[in-house]
Amino acid sequence: GDSVTQMEGPVTLSEEAFLTINCTYTATGYPSLFWYVQYPGEGLQLLLKATKADDKGSNKGFEATYRKETTSFHLEKGSVQVSDSAVYFCALTTSGGYNKLIFGAGTRLAVHP
Amino acid sequence: NAGVTQTPKFQVLKTGQSMTLQCAQDMNHNSMYWYRQDPGMGLRLIYYSASEGTTDKGEVPNGYNVSRLNKREFSLRLESAAPSQTSVYFCASSEWDRGLSVDTQYFGPGTRLTVL
Repeated sequence: GDSVTQMEGPVTLSEEAFLTINCTYTATGYPSLFWYVQYPGEGLQLLLKATKADDKGSNKGFEATYRKETTSFHLEKGSVQVSDSAVYFCALTTSGGYNKLIFGAGTRLAVHP
Repeated sequence: NAGVTQTPKFQVLKTGQSMTLQCAQDMNHNSMYWYRQDPGMGLRLIYYSASEGTTDKGEVPNGYNVSRLNKREFSLRLESAAPSQTSVYFCASSEWDRGLSVDTQYFGPGTRLTVL
């Protein structure tokens, strides 16, 4: 079945470091891909999305490119801040039927001053 | 625009007790969802409602029931709570974007439930 695999955390970085969180997927058809962020004690917020191959989603300095050839959607940011500390979830929607959103297990990011 | 709201924020139950988690959205979305979040497992779909008047089972429906009260509200009921239902519960809503051909889900703040 369809699935999402994320790199295990926690990821610990110093402020202004470069961030990459890896995400790969398995899906039939042509899924849409998402990154959600969950700050401590809060719900999930949509960070960015991409709906077709080679699309780049971007928001708040974060970027991810939909790579069909490698079935990947890695999240990147050039210079992280302490306020970026959160759990990041990669997800996909399957085509057909209802909008089933399949999540990865999440990657915790901790940014230190 | 409040988005998706959930009540209560926290709840402690004893095994066998029942309760209903409430969810409402003000975005006029057709579809609504209930998820549970457990450590290391991401979010798993419990039930969903594609439109007012319809509900269907998701990945982990056992021990739960739902009611789509109207277009705005979607409640989740635990008839006889068990310790295995200790979790954080999230409600979400979505609407199909014809331009992008994508259905994007928006989440509430969650309900943290502990069953003793």
